[in-house]
Amino acid sequence: GEDVEQSLFLSVREGDSSVINCTYTDSSSTYLYWYKQEPGAGLQLLTYIFSNMDMKQDQRLTVLLNKKDKHLSLRIADTQTGDSAIYFCAVKGGISSGSARQLTFGSGTQLTVLP
Amino acid sequence: GAVVSQHPSWVICKSGTSVKIECRSLDFQATTMFWYRQFPKQSLMLMATSNEGSKATYEQGVEKDKFLINHASLTLSTLTVTSAHPEDSSFYICSALLLISTDTQYFGPGTRLTVL
Repeated sequence: GEDVEQSLFLSVREGDSSVINCTYTDSSSTYLYWYKQEPGAGLQLLTYIFSNMDMKQDQRLTVLLNKKDKHLSLRIADTQTGDSAIYFCAVKGGISSGSARQLTFGSGTQLTVLP
Repeated sequence: GAVVSQHPSWVICKSGTSVKIECRSLDFQATTMFWYRQFPKQSLMLMATSNEGSKATYEQGVEKDKFLINHASLTLSTLTVTSAHPEDSSFYICSALLLISTDTQYFGPGTRLTVL
């Protein structure tokens, strides 16, 4: 089945850019998502990208997809203290998953924004 | 739009009791909802896929008699943890599938279950 991996921790200074990386294994994956989770809360959909796109920008968020390397990244420009949270990469099932509507989540990256 | 609620947001119960968690899609209809479990500082683990009007599909290793799922309407799915034990303590999160072109899952705020 699909395997999604992320690094566990990232620290940046306020005002700098943050780049959170994610790799996946199923080349037939269709949609790739980034969710944000604050302590004790559910997941908030930040953005998504379709597999035929290379890049998507939405205000401070830029998603880059390298389909050849199966690498997804989320760049947050001008990172603020309110951006401190866990960021999950999620990939919608392709051929190798049991259901094309299921999501496979990475382990989550804890982003800490330092003043 | 695409708001999903869960109730209760947290619950503490004694060992052996049953606990029901509700998941509602507030402004859209969801024929499919998902139930996840999240342990501290870990990712989400899919427990089951809930389809309106039919039996839920459980992931391998999830006991269907322990975690009863009912999806009686297009806006409500319930998860009942039967005869809860301390090892069932966890953060339970539901999501509802919005059937537009992206088939995006929208998540509820989660329910913290603590079994004493």
